[in-house]
Amino acid sequence: DAKTTQPNSMESNEEEPVHLPCNHSTISGTDYIHWYRQLPSQGPEYVIHGLTSNVNNRMASLAIAEDRKSSTLILHRATLRDAAVYYCILRDQGWGGSEKLVFGKGMKLTVNP
Amino acid sequence: NAGVTQTPKFRILKIGQSMTLQCTQDMNHNYMYWYRQDPGMGLKLIYYSVGAGITDKGEVPNGYNVSRSTTEDFPLRLELAAPSQTSVYFCASSYSRGNYGYTFGSGTRLTVV
Repeated sequence: DAKTTQPNSMESNEEEPVHLPCNHSTISGTDYIHWYRQLPSQGPEYVIHGLTSNVNNRMASLAIAEDRKSSTLILHRATLRDAAVYYCILRDQGWGGSEKLVFGKGMKLTVNP
Repeated sequence: NAGVTQTPKFRILKIGQSMTLQCTQDMNHNYMYWYRQDPGMGLKLIYYSVGAGITDKGEVPNGYNVSRSTTEDFPLRLELAAPSQTSVYFCASSYSRGNYGYTFGSGTRLTVV
């Protein structure tokens, strides 16, 4: 399975943009890039996903490198509520089959007031 | 829609007791997962299922059993509870295509004393 690499932690200031990097140098052509986050004492929640093009939704933006070997989750204005562990995961786009979904350690984002 | 529902939310077990953690989803997802998360640690995959009647082991299956008789339900059985099974347990589900995200339940906090 293709793996992802994230920094262990990052800090940002409230109301400033924050860019969360993820490397996935062994990504295959059929892998989607997914981002999830886990707020303290909660289950993980979906943030955004993409395949090749940059994506935007109400929570964040996802910038995908042209060679797809890295991606960046962008929080445009960090709030205290964005303090969480962020996970970057690759998911194959194919139908059916076995899918053993394994999470890495993720990256802890601290937002300073 | 209720999404992924886990019951109970909290439980205290004595060593050697058994229990079943319930997980139900109403989204007609074919993929379902069980994870455990120890304090300050990442998610570890226990078991997963790609459809009714099909289950497979994850990273840490010892001491647990699962069944998947319907699309909606994926119960996790703990036999002979041990203190090492003290953890927060999360259930998740998804469609099988890569362009769909995963939905997580709110978790079951289990303490074995």
